Amino acid sequence: DTGVSQDPRHKITKRGQNVTFRCDPISEHNRLYWYRQTLGQGPEFLTYFQNEAQLEKSRLLSDRFSAERPKGSFSTLEIQRTEQGDSAMYLCASTITGANTGELFFGEGSRLTVL
Amino acid sequence: GENVEQHPSTLSVQEGDSAVIKCTYSDSASNYFPWYKQELGKRPQLIIDIRSNVGEKKDQRIAVTLNKTAKHFSLHITETQPEDSAVYFCAATTYNQGGKLIFGQGTELSVKP
Repeated sequence: DTGVSQDPRHKITKRGQNVTFRCDPISEHNRLYWYRQTLGQGPEFLTYFQNEAQLEKSRLLSDRFSAERPKGSFSTLEIQRTEQGDSAMYLCASTITGANTGELFFGEGSRLTVL
Repeated sequence: GENVEQHPSTLSVQEGDSAVIKCTYSDSASNYFPWYKQELGKRPQLIIDIRSNVGEKKDQRIAVTLNKTAKHFSLHITETQPEDSAVYFCAATTYNQGGKLIFGQGTELSVKP
């Protein structure tokens, strides 16, 4: 499968623990986005990278959230000291600049449940 | 920043009827407006998109219209089928400046056989 892959698909953790999600974009895609989606809502933008550079981070994102894309390929999203309000689906998407379409290709998501 | 409002939040139609979903956006600089379909437990997938230099675009049973002056755009699905049942999201972005999509809240479409 050459699509966007995310790992793990499901994570259950206790409040206060740290969690890390990984995203592997489509190989030639230079832009990578993280979104958060809660039940009944649209995806909410968190941050995005062009190659290894983090170009924008949502003002809604607390300091407990950090994302990296060290070699311009895969990316990780870490949440420190998780809270129950962090429970959501975390979606990764990728695209390539200069393409004829602005389509974002989404992964299946990583569902986080904080107890 | 950009804000996208989407209506209705739920829509129920009979098979064969048409469905219309409407969105408004706030940033006049936005120039790219895609629509994504998300089936239960699946990833969002692009179904159609439109750029600001075009007023309407069709793809088989799906069409999107854009009114830049009023800053609203709509998705039209004709001859609906049960497999059209899903959540539909509109989005907006300034395509050449970052390209991050700002999504609407979603419309849950139910097509009854």
